[in-house]
Amino acid sequence: EVQLVESGGGLVQPGGSLRLSCAASGFSFGNYVMSWVRQAPGKGLEWVSAISGGGGPTYYADSVKGRFTISRDNSKNTLFLQMNTLSAEDTAVYFCAKLLFVWSFFDNWGQGTLVTVSS
Amino acid sequence: QSVLTQPSSVSGAPGQRVTISCTGSRSNIGAGYDVHWYQQLPRTAPKLLIFGNTNRPSGVPDRFSGSKSGTSASLAITGLQAEDEADYYCQSYDSSLSGSVFGGGTKLTVL
Repeated sequence: EVQLVESGGGLVQPGGSLRLSCAASGFSFGNYVMSWVRQAPGKGLEWVSAISGGGGPTYYADSVKGRFTISRDNSKNTLFLQMNTLSAEDTAVYFCAKLLFVWSFFDNWGQGTLVTVSS
Repeated sequence: QSVLTQPSSVSGAPGQRVTISCTGSRSNIGAGYDVHWYQQLPRTAPKLLIFGNTNRPSGVPDRFSGSKSGTSASLAITGLQAEDEADYYCQSYDSSLSGSVFGGGTKLTVL
């Protein structure tokens, strides 16, 4: 059974940084594209970033480009999202999700971790 | 303002059929990119409902079906049940934005 478990969320001040993790199990992690999708309180889903299976090409939404960095450690089956220069607009639940290939559908999702940016 | 446009809400009585539209443009749905649908029950993570415009993952009832035509796609739910009350999102790829895009979501209320 595929399992994705996010962690690392919390309260951070504007301008601060946070690193999210997503522990994966139940599938060959290194063979799949992984992604982060966020959902602001009471709002819809927003794709944030994606990374290929080997950690090579990475992709970002314009809203986070230059501030967020996606990475992965295939030896530990873990996906990361380093978030810098955070603002209130980044407040959201962050989901990690598995894709079959880049720009395909998200076939498995984690439960999400809440990031709150506030002073 | 979402790249893919969905109605904010739809409703129907138990047993009825409802449809949820997802309207895009020539840089996403109209360019031939697949549309996928997700169901998000209250306070839970989204769940894949339809992939590749018309395909159901294992375990999704055949009451759920998807279609696509031109720059739009639709999700149909027949034999509406109380447990179908949720938010529904469409998703595709947009070549202008070079990324995945979602619709704004549709809240389904079962009367």
